[in-house]
Amino acid sequence: SQTIHQWPATLVQPVGSPLSLECTVEGTSNPNLYWYRQAAGRGLQLLFYSVGIGQISSEVPQNLSASRPQDRQFILSSKKLLLSDSGFYLCASGEGEHEKLFFGSGTQLSVL
Amino acid sequence: AQSVTQPDIHITVSEGASLELRCNYSYGATPYLFWYVQSPGQGLQLLLKYFSGDTLVQGIKGFEAEFKRSQSSFNLRKPSVHCSDAAEYFCAVAMNTGFQKLVFGTGTRLLVSP
Repeated sequence: SQTIHQWPATLVQPVGSPLSLECTVEGTSNPNLYWYRQAAGRGLQLLFYSVGIGQISSEVPQNLSASRPQDRQFILSSKKLLLSDSGFYLCASGEGEHEKLFFGSGTQLSVL
Repeated sequence: AQSVTQPDIHITVSEGASLELRCNYSYGATPYLFWYVQSPGQGLQLLLKYFSGDTLVQGIKGFEAEFKRSQSSFNLRKPSVHCSDAAEYFCAVAMNTGFQKLVFGTGTRLLVSP
């Protein structure tokens, strides 16, 4: 099965600072990759998904962007963080015909 | 648009008691349905999923869920809860496409009292 590595586990950033969260996947090739965000008191929301290198689809308009420079690397970025970007960010990788999603352990981002 | 409702934000059960977590969805076609568990500081782990066939689905850790089309529900059950089951549980739905774009409910936090 797959292993999803996410780092850092926690991050505190000032408003207006840049962001880069990295996710790497082991144990599979050419996975579908996803970034989800869980805001306080809310469910998980799909932010981006990617079906291949350089292919990114955005689900909601926002201050964030995603990139997939390598097959098993998925990066979430922002040029200038907003307070509303605070939340718990989860990377996920999909495998199989009826995709089973494997999730990373997440990054808790606090924007102050 | 798809939506998932988990009406209970918190549930407390005694250890050894039975558990049922509610999930209702709104979707025009037959969805894929999932239950995930998130332990503190952990990512999500898939408990079980329903794609088609038998509407009673068995999962890991002794959990099961029943798909009821007439009620648009996919409730999660466990006959006897253990203290290690304390976690947050998410119901999710996906369209019948080749890859999953999950829509999650807001989650139910399960507390287990000794």
